[in-house]
Parts: sequence; C-alpha cells; structure tokens
Amino acid sequence: GEDVEQSLFLSVREGDSSVINCTYTDSSSTYLYWYKQEPGAGLQLLTYIFSNMDMKQDQRLTVLLNKKDKHLSLRIADTQTGDSAIYFCAECPLSGNTPLVFGKGTRLSVIA
Amino acid sequence: KAGVTQTPRYLIKTRGQQVTLSCSPISGHRSVSWYQQTPGQGLQFLFEYFSETQRNKGNFPGRFSGRQFSNSRSEMNVSTLELGDSALYLCASSLRTGGDEQYFGPGTRLTVT
Repeated sequence: GEDVEQSLFLSVREGDSSVINCTYTDSSSTYLYWYKQEPGAGLQLLTYIFSNMDMKQDQRLTVLLNKKDKHLSLRIADTQTGDSAIYFCAECPLSGNTPLVFGKGTRLSVIA
Repeated sequence: KAGVTQTPRYLIKTRGQQVTLSCSPISGHRSVSWYQQTPGQGLQFLFEYFSETQRNKGNFPGRFSGRQFSNSRSEMNVSTLELGDSALYLCASSLRTGGDEQYFGPGTRLTVT
C-alpha cells in the first residue's frame, strides 16, 4: 500500500539549515512533491522532483531523492522566521489515476 | 492567473444541518480534488472530479458528496453534520487527473456546534 511518513516537528535557529525528511513506500511513484502550509492558509506547492532525478535545487531549497531507500528530503538554507510552517511531502503513484498521497506534515519552528 | 478560490472561508453550522462548499479552480484546470484537514487525522482525500465525472473517492461516508459543473467549478456537500465534521476543507485544482501537481485554495473552515 501507499504510505508517506514524516517526523512531526523540527526546530531550528534562524540562519541555520533545515532538513525535513520523508519516506514513502510506493517505489513506482513518478513525482514527489513538497508543499508548505502557513497558519490559516491552504497548501502552497514549493517544489517537486521527478523520480529519475537525485537532486533538484531551487534558490534556498534543495530536494534530495534516494530512490533505493525511498527517502526524500527538503533542505532549506539560511532558514528565516518566515519559513515557519507545516511542510508536507506527497507522492504521485505510477498508476496515474489515483490521487496524491500526502504525509501528515512536519511543523517547522524557526527560533530567532 | 487567478488562483483557486473557495467560498465561504468560514462557516458555523449546527449538528444535523447540511452544508455546501464551493471551489473555483485555476482557469484551464479541469481536475478538482477535495481534502479534509483536521489536527488529528492530517490531510485526508475526499474525492476528485475531472470533466464533471468523479474519478477517485476517499474513505468517507455517503454524507459527503460532490459534483463538478461544465465550467470546472466544483461543490461539495455534507449532509446531517456531525461534530467530527469540523475541519478545514481544502480544494485543489490541476490540469490533469490523478497525481498531477495540485494547486490549493485557502480552504473553508467549517465549525459544527
């Protein structure tokens, strides 16, 4: 079955790097996504990586994919207080006609 | 391009009542998905509509229903409301069906008293 696991909480100091981890079970997943949710808001698509890639960088964001271990991570460089939010990873199963599977989200707290 | 819009943003209802929530997708997007978000259960998939047809359905009782119109706008309805239906209801639109990248609206916060 499909399941996406994330740790629930992460606390970092402003200026440090944050690494949010995610594991998934469907090895045939095609795309993996990272979403950000700020208080009282919907989910904002941050970035995604195709399953045949190992790494994707987008400004302060770096996504690493270890397909063998089914492990995905999101690194935020120079973390700012505005990065405080809940981060969700989601996988797109290969079957294509099934919805995205979301993790429960990691709450990132940035300490000034 | 305008983003996904949801109305109303906040709603307070009483147990036993019914409620209808509305979602307008990004222009050109034909798929609309609905999610229920609660602190305990996280983000749970309700259903997905594409070209006015329900393509996928999550594990929710029949009290939860939806539909999509020819202009891709979607509504979801919850009948006989229960206290446990209090949640943030999120709508997301995408170009294609299935696991395409989704763009979320701000949600409707439903409180059942």
